[in-house]
Amino acid sequence: AQKITQTQPGMFVQEKEAVTLDCTYDTSDQSYGLFWYKQPSSGEMIFLIYQGSYDEQNATEGRYSLNFQKARKSANLVISASQLGDSAMYFCAMRERDSNYQLIWGAGTKLIIKP
Amino acid sequence: GAGVSQTPSNKVTEKGKYVELRCDPISGHTALYWYRQSLGQGPEFLIYFQGTGAADDSGLPNDRFFAVRPEGSVSTLKIQRTERGDSAVYLCASSSPGNEQFFGPGTRLTVL
Repeated sequence: AQKITQTQPGMFVQEKEAVTLDCTYDTSDQSYGLFWYKQPSSGEMIFLIYQGSYDEQNATEGRYSLNFQKARKSANLVISASQLGDSAMYFCAMRERDSNYQLIWGAGTKLIIKP
Repeated sequence: GAGVSQTPSNKVTEKGKYVELRCDPISGHTALYWYRQSLGQGPEFLIYFQGTGAADDSGLPNDRFFAVRPEGSVSTLKIQRTERGDSAVYLCASSSPGNEQFFGPGTRLTVL
């Protein structure tokens, strides 16, 4: 079974609009972490934001916020005021407590910002 | 400071050949990870080092793949008898234990 599911293979969004990228996860661990990374066409993985399973508040980093709904096992990324430079692949990943810190990745969402 | 570096950035080889991919982590990071990313997919875990030892090599697909980190810094991923299915981008990441992983630019391996 998929541990990380990203249901949107691609999205087009108008510049300056907000965008939500979906991520659902599956784990039986009580302690885990959720990550979002951005991968531009250059190929490098860029860390965006982290949410711990015990964090009571949603994580925020500048224009990025994570809509964490633990009961629904979802960790959606919200990008406010999108910019042309936000066009990239976006990956959701999970680290389980007993996994030696390896990340389990979703298939990614290709986001294209239209001018 | 310098980020994670990987060399070469591109490697083209013939089926059956041996290749080595190098990763230079961020200074002071004790944890080092190798992932493989096939076209259109998310990365797939290969191996994790804590210091010099491979703490988890459960992601290595078969015994043609091997990785070392002899001095706890630079790591080399070695692939013997390469096959066309090995073609992918090989990503290296490093971190302080428990913290976010920082990735290198990757090595694009093409096996003809």
